[in-house]
Amino acid sequence: EADIYQTPRYLVIGTGKKITLECSQTMGHDKMYWYQQDPGMELHLIHYSYGVNSTEKGDLSSESTVSRIRTEHFPLTLESARPSHTSQYLCASSESWGTSNQPQHFGDGTRLSIL
Amino acid sequence: QKEVEQNSGPLSVPEGAIASLNCTYSDRGSQSFFWYRQYSGKSPELIMFIYSNGDKEDGRFTAQLNKASQYVSLLIRDSQPSDSATYLCAVNPRNDDYKLSFGAGTTVTVRA
Repeated sequence: EADIYQTPRYLVIGTGKKITLECSQTMGHDKMYWYQQDPGMELHLIHYSYGVNSTEKGDLSSESTVSRIRTEHFPLTLESARPSHTSQYLCASSESWGTSNQPQHFGDGTRLSIL
Repeated sequence: QKEVEQNSGPLSVPEGAIASLNCTYSDRGSQSFFWYRQYSGKSPELIMFIYSNGDKEDGRFTAQLNKASQYVSLLIRDSQPSDSATYLCAVNPRNDDYKLSFGAGTTVTVRA
């Protein structure tokens, strides 16, 4: 089972601030993902990475950016937070072996509120 | 048409009964299928995955896959109040792409 950590768990911050949400995993998984989920709503993939120096945008357009300089670390950054960014952000990782897609394991999430 | 569809529920079952959840998917080439449980305010937790047609059992949970009919189901036997949660079906549409498509989830309530 993956050990995947997200910080902070909760963040309340004012409009216009730069925010970085941290995500780290200790299992050496090469694949990592960021999802956005509003309460009671679907998960939406906003970014993913299949390895170091590889990042791609997901299915839902997002004003955030990501980086993958180290295998274990996949931070998400909002340059200028707005109230529309208020949501829960979930980080996940998975490994690849064999011919089948392996499960994604999720961190505990960051609940972000922009005032 | 959404890639993955689930009945939103709520599905209410009495304690000790079997809860049956269904999921259909649109991409006939899909190969990997996952069920996650998500408690309110928490992150999704993997409970089952299945790759081949047929049934796969793990404790009180059974996943059933029928690729010809493009559906995957989850049975929860001897339902407990702790099973009350939203269950997410996730599908990997293509084996060369590791992204998952998630359904909107089915909310299950187990009444004591």
